[in-house]
Amino acid sequence: QKEVEQNSGPLSVPEGAIASLNCTYSDRVSQSFFWYRQYSGKSPELIMSIYSNGDKEDGRFTAQLNKASQYVSLLIRDSQPSDSATYLCAADFYTDKLIFGTGTRLQVFP
Amino acid sequence: GAVVSQHPSWVICKSGTSVKIECRSLDFQATTMFWYRQFPKQSLMLMATSNEGSKATYEQGVEKDKFLINHASLTLSTLTVTSAHPEDSSFYICSATSGSYEQYFGPGTRLTVT
Repeated sequence: QKEVEQNSGPLSVPEGAIASLNCTYSDRVSQSFFWYRQYSGKSPELIMSIYSNGDKEDGRFTAQLNKASQYVSLLIRDSQPSDSATYLCAADFYTDKLIFGTGTRLQVFP
Repeated sequence: GAVVSQHPSWVICKSGTSVKIECRSLDFQATTMFWYRQFPKQSLMLMATSNEGSKATYEQGVEKDKFLINHASLTLSTLTVTSAHPEDSSFYICSATSGSYEQYFGPGTRLTVT
């Protein structure tokens, strides 16, 4: 089992809808979880970090963490075509580096 | 804040030559820098972790004599691809952290070896 797993997608949602991106991680203790956005041909950009169980909101983005279920999600409200990108989930597992999932490709169509 | 730059943004070199890529943290001191490689339509692959003033830690399967990493200061790390070959053509991305687990990525360097 991979340490951080994501569905590769593509996840297609209409403009204005809520996009829900999911990530599960292996049975290892982790302190921090991150969501990065990567546009095609560009480097990843940090969107959200979450450290404790529950929800964390930042603008149109909400990260949700459930450590008991080993589950992290990212909700994007009012999705826009400019949100079309690959979203990477990452966890630290108490090491000095991040373990990334393979990413979920999101397509927002007008 | 948390801006990381890379230079050059793209480079073309001939097989057998060496290429140096610079990674700088512009507005913070980077205790740790990371070097990744990404092939088209594939996920990020961590190559090595470098801490200022100490030797880099390479991931399994990454040749340390081919990919030389120097982290000379808290704002600069360099990756030198020695004796480059066409299979080294890739997108090389650095990231930096100031002590928290949040990594901030540079814009990447696209290397093409002919």
